[in-house]
Amino acid sequence: AQSVTQPDIHITVSEGASLELRCNYSYGATPYLFWYVQSPGQGLQLLLKYFSGDTLVQGIKGFEAEFKRSQSSFNLRKPSVHWSDAAEYFCAVGAAGYSTLTFGKGTMLLVSP
Amino acid sequence: NAGVTQTPKFRVLKTGQSMTLLCAQDMNHEYMYWYRQDPGMGLRLIHYSVGEGTTAKGEVPDGYNVSRLKKQNFLLGLESAAPSQTSVYFCASSYGGTGADQPQHFGDGTRLSIL
Repeated sequence: AQSVTQPDIHITVSEGASLELRCNYSYGATPYLFWYVQSPGQGLQLLLKYFSGDTLVQGIKGFEAEFKRSQSSFNLRKPSVHWSDAAEYFCAVGAAGYSTLTFGKGTMLLVSP
Repeated sequence: NAGVTQTPKFRVLKTGQSMTLLCAQDMNHEYMYWYRQDPGMGLRLIHYSVGEGTTAKGEVPDGYNVSRLKKQNFLLGLESAAPSQTSVYFCASSYGGTGADQPQHFGDGTRLSIL
């Protein structure tokens, strides 16, 4: 069975600084990888996804993520954080033949002025 | 285009009461899911459905039942509510495809308190 680890429960970043949120997964074959964002009181919104091909994927709101098979990682990055990026971020993994996704426990991003 | 709609948005129940949460999607998705979200626990899958008339257990199914009588609707029932079921409940749907290779679309959640 697949699993997802988001090592950081909270991260604080200054507005305008760069951001990297970590995600590590455990799965034998090539996984399907997703990043979602959840604003307070809202549901989850898809930021980006990786299935195959180019290991650097671009998403909405200026986010990108890089799949590194050797490190079993799929870290989310943004070059310059805006105050509106403050939210909780979830990494999720799926696998061929499975109908469900496994979600990490989330990383709460705080943006300081 | 409404996407995934959850009803109600808020509810307070007394221990032992029953209720049904409704999820409706208008994207013609095959797969639908019910999750609960608790602080520090992330999202945990309760039940899911891969098509009309089918349901399956997820990670935390105890105390819940589901039905998928119509493709667009997925109902989550609590037969006898317990304080441990106080949570935020999210419904999601996806196209289905060949498995978990399709992104899930989420509703805005139902905040349920059991006293």
